Amino acid sequence: NAGVTQTPKFRVLKTGQSMTLLCAQDMNHEYMYWYRQDPGMGLRLIHYSVGEGTTAKGEVPDGYNVSRLKKQNFLLGLESAAPSQTSVYFCASSFLDGGEQFFGPGTRLTVL
Amino acid sequence: GENVEQHPSTLSVQEGDSAVIKCTYSDSASNYFPWYKQELGKRPQLIIDIRSNVGEKKDQRIAVTLNKTAKHFSLHITETQPEDSAVYFCAASMDGGATNKLIFGTGTLLAVQP
Repeated sequence: NAGVTQTPKFRVLKTGQSMTLLCAQDMNHEYMYWYRQDPGMGLRLIHYSVGEGTTAKGEVPDGYNVSRLKKQNFLLGLESAAPSQTSVYFCASSFLDGGEQFFGPGTRLTVL
Repeated sequence: GENVEQHPSTLSVQEGDSAVIKCTYSDSASNYFPWYKQELGKRPQLIIDIRSNVGEKKDQRIAVTLNKTAKHFSLHITETQPEDSAVYFCAASMDGGATNKLIFGTGTLLAVQP
């Protein structure tokens, strides 16, 4: 039982490049979330999903897109990376009735 | 929308002392208040949570109190140990908890001095 995993762990992009971050969970959770963590700003919700095929915007969605084609996977895409998107990205998942969110190990992204 | 403020941003205590971290929230519909601990370079992990129908909850050396009238909740750690050193985040549910979305505070760096 791997819990929540994220791919890749680290990535360096140049401004304007695109990439996709993959989150996978094997706990059969309905809800999945993408956060970014910046120094002094805590965790901010980018997008979330309440089930397979659904996505919705969080606090800071601009510049990101997401997809949830399979229940166990939640993808975060950056179409044209900007230096302001340099951050640590965490994925999380939880059961339908709320409660604990289980976090992945994070992806450290640097945009030059 | 929901806003969560957390204080202090840094806290240094001597081993064995108590530590208290306080958070306030703005949305009266919030009904779920978790606390996460994040060690350096690691993922956040839930340490304790409380729901709005409860005023206090304890788990060994940690406790959380909730005052719904004043819209604030606090984390209390007693008999602190060096392994308690980490960043602690409070959070509050949005949308009355319908989607389990959370708004996080900005974190408190707790340093326990041996």
